[in-house]
Amino acid sequence: QKEVEQNSGPLSVPEGAIASLNCTYSDRVSQSFFWYRQYSGKSPELIMSIYSNGDKEDGRFTAQLNKASQYVSLLIRDSQPSDSATYLCAVNSGGSNYKLTFGKGTLLTVNP
Amino acid sequence: SAVISQKPSRDICQRGTSLTIQCQVDSQVTMMFWYRQQPGQSLTLIATANQGSEATYESGFVIDKFPISRPNLTFSTLTVSNMSPEDSSIYLCSARLRTIDSYNEQFFGPGTRLTVL
Repeated sequence: QKEVEQNSGPLSVPEGAIASLNCTYSDRVSQSFFWYRQYSGKSPELIMSIYSNGDKEDGRFTAQLNKASQYVSLLIRDSQPSDSATYLCAVNSGGSNYKLTFGKGTLLTVNP
Repeated sequence: SAVISQKPSRDICQRGTSLTIQCQVDSQVTMMFWYRQQPGQSLTLIATANQGSEATYESGFVIDKFPISRPNLTFSTLTVSNMSPEDSSIYLCSARLRTIDSYNEQFFGPGTRLTVL
């Protein structure tokens, strides 16, 4: 059973701080890793994808991947109240099916 | 990314009836997926729908309950059959897109919120 684990939170940070979201996965052969943001009542929105070890930066977002530790994280710099949402980690194990396994999500609250 | 639309956006249905949810993508895609998200929960994959082949269902989901059609590269439907209150959920379709610097990104439609009485 492939598993993706996230702290459910809630994670509360003050405006302007760095929010750190973590995710671990059980399938060692996983190849693709994604972070989705989901506002209450809305569908998931892809914000970051990462495929190789190291860091990937996009604006205020940085995804970090460590395949040896089976760990992927998302850092949000200069957090804004509009970043308040549930962040879902998703993992694909490769092959031809392209299926995603989702974690349960971490609720982030950014306080003004 | 892609523009993905779903119809209906929400519905309230009676026990024992069926509802067909439509998903339309604004570009041709090989792979589409159907997920369920129950209140306060994460996403669970129901099935993968490839054009020109039968849908592939995940453990716990069967074709008789969730028949899927994929008539072309931009459209798919999911039917929730013989509904019970336990089927109350948000149903989401997604499409896999391949771009220059990625090969496995999935984008989601807005979802269909289903309530079964």
